[in-house]
Amino acid sequence: AQSVTQPDIHITVSEGASLELRCNYSYGATPYLFWYVQSPGQGLQLLLKYFSGDTLVQGIKGFEAEFKRSQSSFNLRKPSVHWSDAAEYFCAVGAGGTSYGKLTFGQGTILTVHP
Amino acid sequence: DAGVIQSPRHEVTEMGQEVTLRCKPISGHDYLFWYRQTMMRGLELLIYFNNNVPIDDSGMPEDRFSAKMPNASFSTLKIQPSEPRDSAVYFCASTNSLASANEQFFGPGTRLTVL
Repeated sequence: AQSVTQPDIHITVSEGASLELRCNYSYGATPYLFWYVQSPGQGLQLLLKYFSGDTLVQGIKGFEAEFKRSQSSFNLRKPSVHWSDAAEYFCAVGAGGTSYGKLTFGQGTILTVHP
Repeated sequence: DAGVIQSPRHEVTEMGQEVTLRCKPISGHDYLFWYRQTMMRGLELLIYFNNNVPIDDSGMPEDRFSAKMPNASFSTLKIQPSEPRDSAVYFCASTNSLASANEQFFGPGTRLTVL
């Protein structure tokens, strides 16, 4: 069965600083990988996804993530954080085969942005 | 497209009452998921459907919970009788098996409070 670990429960950065949120996954085959963002009181919005091809993927709001198979990681990055990026971020892994469609989510990382 | 629609957005009820949460997936999507989100347990998958048929209900906490999908455009999650520990935000999500990756689209959620 697949699993996702987000080691950082809470991260605080200053506005304008760079950001990296960590995600490690466990899955036997090539996974589908996702990052979602959740603002307070809102549903989850997809930031970006990886399923094949270029291991560096670009998403919305200036985010990018890099798939590293050797490290089983899919870390999310942004070069310069804006105050509006304060939210909770979820990494997720999807499976194929009989479990197609099912996503397993990490516990989330809460991002606080200081002015 | 209107996105995934959930109703009600907020529900306050008393212990022992029946609660019904509703979801309308994105038109053309053939997978539908119900999640529960709490501070303690994070985002949990309760059940999911493919072509209106329940595929995996292993996340349903107990017999008080039931879910149905009578047609491709409507699903319900019912709790009977409700208990205070059921207080959470319940999300519905949908996806399309013809998409390049099983990206899920989330509704805004229903915040349930059981007194």
